[in-house]
Amino acid sequence: KNQVEQSPQSLIILEGKNCTLQCNYTVSPFSNLRWYKQDTGRGPVSLTIMTFSENTKSNGRYTATLDADTKQSSLHITASQLSDSASYICVVRGWMDSSYKLIFGSGTRLLVRP
Amino acid sequence: GAGVSQTPSNKVTEKGKYVELRCDPISGHTALYWYRQSLGQGPEFLIYFQGTGAADDSGLPNDRFFAVRPEGSVSTLKIQRTERGDSAVYLCASSTGEGGFYEQYFGPGTRLTVT
Repeated sequence: KNQVEQSPQSLIILEGKNCTLQCNYTVSPFSNLRWYKQDTGRGPVSLTIMTFSENTKSNGRYTATLDADTKQSSLHITASQLSDSASYICVVRGWMDSSYKLIFGSGTRLLVRP
Repeated sequence: GAGVSQTPSNKVTEKGKYVELRCDPISGHTALYWYRQSLGQGPEFLIYFQGTGAADDSGLPNDRFFAVRPEGSVSTLKIQRTERGDSAVYLCASSTGEGGFYEQYFGPGTRLTVT
């Protein structure tokens, strides 16, 4: 079972609209959570990094929230632009196979239409 | 400055052949990571170097996979006796320290297709 689950798998929205992507994780112990944006054919680029003590962090039109008690995070995108079309990947740094690693979700594929 | 670069960008090989994938990290970054990403999935950890040594190779799927970083900069991922299931995008990332607390910068990846 994947320790980092994301929903929805894919999403289509109109330019200018807002959207929220979800991430649930079971990784334990956990030290931090990241959201990455991955354009087609490119490597992931970090949007935010939050430790377990942080509840929210913003990066421009991107706002991430974290509830370490329920092990849930969300990424809210405001006033979407065509360039926001990409995969958004939730990544948890947690203990796996005898060391700390970054554990990636499968991503949400967002398409912003004009 | 230059980011992480990977060569080749695409590699097509026949089943059973040997391949090498190269990663040039950001200058001065001591940590280097290899990941494998299958279609529609997130990256999966393969191996982590701190300097010249492999600090964690627990993600390598089997002994056909091997990686080196002899001078603590460029790294090469080597796959022997390739299988069709090895087809994926292989991503490299580098950071100034152990990636959990430092930003990881990813390269564009090498798309490997085994026919």
